[in-house]
Amino acid sequence: GEDVEQSLFLSVREGDSSVINCTYTDSSSTYLYWYKQEPGAGLQLLTYIFSNMDMKQDQRLTVLLNKKDKHLSLRIADTQTGDSAIYFCAVPGGGSYIPTFGRGTSLIVHP
Amino acid sequence: NAGVTQTPKFQVLKTGQSMTLQCAQDMNHNSMYWYRQDPGMGLRLIYYSASEGTTDKGEVPNGYNVSRLNKREFSLRLESAAPSQTSVYFCASGGEANTEAFFGQGTRLTVV
Repeated sequence: GEDVEQSLFLSVREGDSSVINCTYTDSSSTYLYWYKQEPGAGLQLLTYIFSNMDMKQDQRLTVLLNKKDKHLSLRIADTQTGDSAIYFCAVPGGGSYIPTFGRGTSLIVHP
Repeated sequence: NAGVTQTPKFQVLKTGQSMTLQCAQDMNHNSMYWYRQDPGMGLRLIYYSASEGTTDKGEVPNGYNVSRLNKREFSLRLESAAPSQTSVYFCASGGEANTEAFFGQGTRLTVV
């Protein structure tokens, strides 16, 4: 099945850029997703990228996809304390539409 | 617009007790899922249902049963709770045809 890996923690200062990385094993996914989980809440879709794109920009968010290396990243520009949350990479794989989630990266933003 | 609704939000069980977690969605999705979230483990799929009347095992199905009662509702049952089932449980729906999955707010279950 699909295997999705993320680092567990990232700490940045307010105003800096944050980069959260993800690697996956199955290259058949049409879409790749980033979800955000705020404390005590469920997951909400943050952004996504179509597999034939290398980059997608949405306001402060930039998603980069390197299909050759099976690497996905999420960049948050001008990180704010309100961006503190757990970020999950999700990749449908193995011929299935069911998303496999990484372990989640806890982003901690210091004032 | 309610989306995905889970009940209860919190539950404490004694070892060996049984309970059913309820989930309902109002988005007319065919697919529904149950995940559990444990610290450092991310979300792991317990069971899923691709359509009304069908259910399939995910990564960690042992100790659980599910019922897809109708298109809206997908319940998760713990027949004999164990401390290892202490977790946060999320129900989700959608995800087919490369669309996003929508999540409920979660059920925080503690088994003592």
